Amino acid sequence: KAGVTQTPRYLIKTRGQQVTLSCSPISGHRSVSWYQQTPGQGLQFLFEYFSETQRNKGNFPGRFSGRQFSNSRSEMNVSTLELGDSALYLCASSRDSAPPPYEQYFGPGTRLTVT
Amino acid sequence: GNSVTQMEGPVTLSEEAFLTINCTYTATGYPSLFWYVQYPGEGLQLLLKATKADDKGSNKGFEATYRKETTSFHLEKGSVQVSDSAVYFCARRTGADGLTFGKGTHLIIQP
Repeated sequence: KAGVTQTPRYLIKTRGQQVTLSCSPISGHRSVSWYQQTPGQGLQFLFEYFSETQRNKGNFPGRFSGRQFSNSRSEMNVSTLELGDSALYLCASSRDSAPPPYEQYFGPGTRLTVT
Repeated sequence: GNSVTQMEGPVTLSEEAFLTINCTYTATGYPSLFWYVQYPGEGLQLLLKATKADDKGSNKGFEATYRKETTSFHLEKGSVQVSDSAVYFCARRTGADGLTFGKGTHLIIQP
């Protein structure tokens, strides 16, 4: 079974631009979560989507948004990029069948560099 | 709030040494606990998990026991190999909330 895939793997953007990252979950997984990894803040939860609805949200500004499609694929968007948005963005999927815990399986990440 | 605390390292050991990486968590709710491993340039791999008190998770020679009385989930391995060199993350999750991670422990195994 194929794992979580993320595209693109690397991205360089300029301050003020916007960016869209894509994630395809493991087949049969309906939940997709996004995390930001930086050397200073570590791994931080951005948001989670389940059945095309945002179910949970972390403590990030509104510039960070996402969506999920009917095939469970997800995209996240960052508008008005800042230098501090440079990070590894990780996507994780889970089956979310009862009972918990809903084990999350991670993709390789998208390395975003903002210049 | 929810938090996870782990030793950050780097932790440097010789091959075949015994490994312990400490992890403690806040006791809010009834969390499930996880250890993830990240190799250079890669995403996170689930190493092991435990869902309730006294559960022991194990995989690839690593193990950790969910200790509710000490709110701990320490990772152990009896004999480490050079290939175990990586960053290890302890994490907690309650229900369908997002994972809360520790800062990560960089493990270096020398031949």
